[in-house]
Amino acid sequence: AQTVTQSQPEMSVQEAETVTLSCTYDTSENNYYLFWYKQPPSRQMILVIRQEAYKQQNATENRFSVNFQKAAKSFSLKISDSQLGDTAMYFCAFMVNYGGSQGNLIFGKGTKLSVKP
Amino acid sequence: KAGVTQTPRYLIKTRGQQVTLSCSPISGHRSVSWYQQTPGQGLQFLFEYFSETQRNKGNFPGRFSGRQFSNSRSEMNVSTLELGDSALYLCASSLNLNTEAFFGQGTRLTVV
Repeated sequence: AQTVTQSQPEMSVQEAETVTLSCTYDTSENNYYLFWYKQPPSRQMILVIRQEAYKQQNATENRFSVNFQKAAKSFSLKISDSQLGDTAMYFCAFMVNYGGSQGNLIFGKGTKLSVKP
Repeated sequence: KAGVTQTPRYLIKTRGQQVTLSCSPISGHRSVSWYQQTPGQGLQFLFEYFSETQRNKGNFPGRFSGRQFSNSRSEMNVSTLELGDSALYLCASSLNLNTEAFFGQGTRLTVV
């Protein structure tokens, strides 16, 4: 069975600074996807960034980047130049790629990020 | 382009009743998945539908069921409601299998 662990229940960062959220996962699969989702108070889950396990290059999306360490099964999210609008719950998620058929998303418990002015 | 629409947004039901939640995916999306979110258990997968067929099911009792219609709209039903069913129920749609999932804003179900 796959599991996703987020060891930081809450974090805070000053506006314009950089913060890193941690995520580790456990799986015996070799072909999978990893995601970071953001859930603001409006409750809508928004995809922040996605990483395919077969890609060695770390994914980046504007101010968001990941540090994917496949051997260590680690997938951290770095947010640069933090903005007040980044305040939200952040969920790390895992999905097996069955080669044409996706598995379901398995989520961590989340990290509540507060960006302070 | 309209996003994933879930109705109703809020719902209060009594123990023992049943409830039906609705999800309209993004136009053209064929896959719909459902998740339950609670403070204690976090986000848990309920089921996934693709082209009207259930492709995957999470570890929930048989009181939880779902279906998908030919227009890709999906419903989930919970019968004989229990207090522990109180949760935010999220629906996600994707174009096909193995593509990005887009979430709706959820239905907040409260069982009293």
